[in-house]
Amino acid sequence: TQLLEQSPQFLSIQEGENLTVYCNSSSVFSSLQWYRQEPGEGPVLLVTVVTGGEVKKLKRLTFQFGDARKDSSLHITAAQPGDTGLYLCAGSSGGYQKVTFGTGTKLQVIP
Amino acid sequence: EAGVAQSPRYKIIEKRQSVAFWCNPISGHATLYWYQQILGQGPKLLIQFQNNGVVDDSQLPKDRFSAERLKGVDSTLKIQPAKLEDSAVYLCASSLDVWSYEQYFGPGTRLTVT
Repeated sequence: TQLLEQSPQFLSIQEGENLTVYCNSSSVFSSLQWYRQEPGEGPVLLVTVVTGGEVKKLKRLTFQFGDARKDSSLHITAAQPGDTGLYLCAGSSGGYQKVTFGTGTKLQVIP
Repeated sequence: EAGVAQSPRYKIIEKRQSVAFWCNPISGHATLYWYQQILGQGPKLLIQFQNNGVVDDSQLPKDRFSAERLKGVDSTLKIQPAKLEDSAVYLCASSLDVWSYEQYFGPGTRLTVT
């Protein structure tokens, strides 16, 4: 069974601070996705990374895929209240892209 | 483009009752997923369809859960009989095909079993 552990589990920060969320596994993934989920809604895809060492930027969000494709990180610069939500990583592997979701990181940005 | 539709949005039932959830995926998406999400945790895959065939149902509690996608479009997930531990959000997602990385989720159905 593939497991994706996210840390921290909870994070409460002030507006304007920076933060990093980690997603770790002992398994290799062919790709990794990051989603954000707001209360009462389904997860919304933020980014997909597929190459070991790949870095992608989405405005104030920076995503990195580990060289060995076993881990990933999400860095948010100057967090805003609108960034509040549950952040989920999801790893894909296998011929039919079996997806395993991480344990989740609940972020609260206080104005 | 319309997103993934789910109904109902909320459902409260008593234990041992039955319940059914409905999902309509994005038009043209061949792959459909049902997930169970306990509050604050990551979604757990229950079943994955490619058109009307099952790709993966290894984590579906088959003694009480069933799902179908008869015409390869809409899908229903049923729980019979429900247990207290089935209280969760049930998410439906779709993707273009089984080789697609990205999934698109519906808003979910929040089930409370009392």
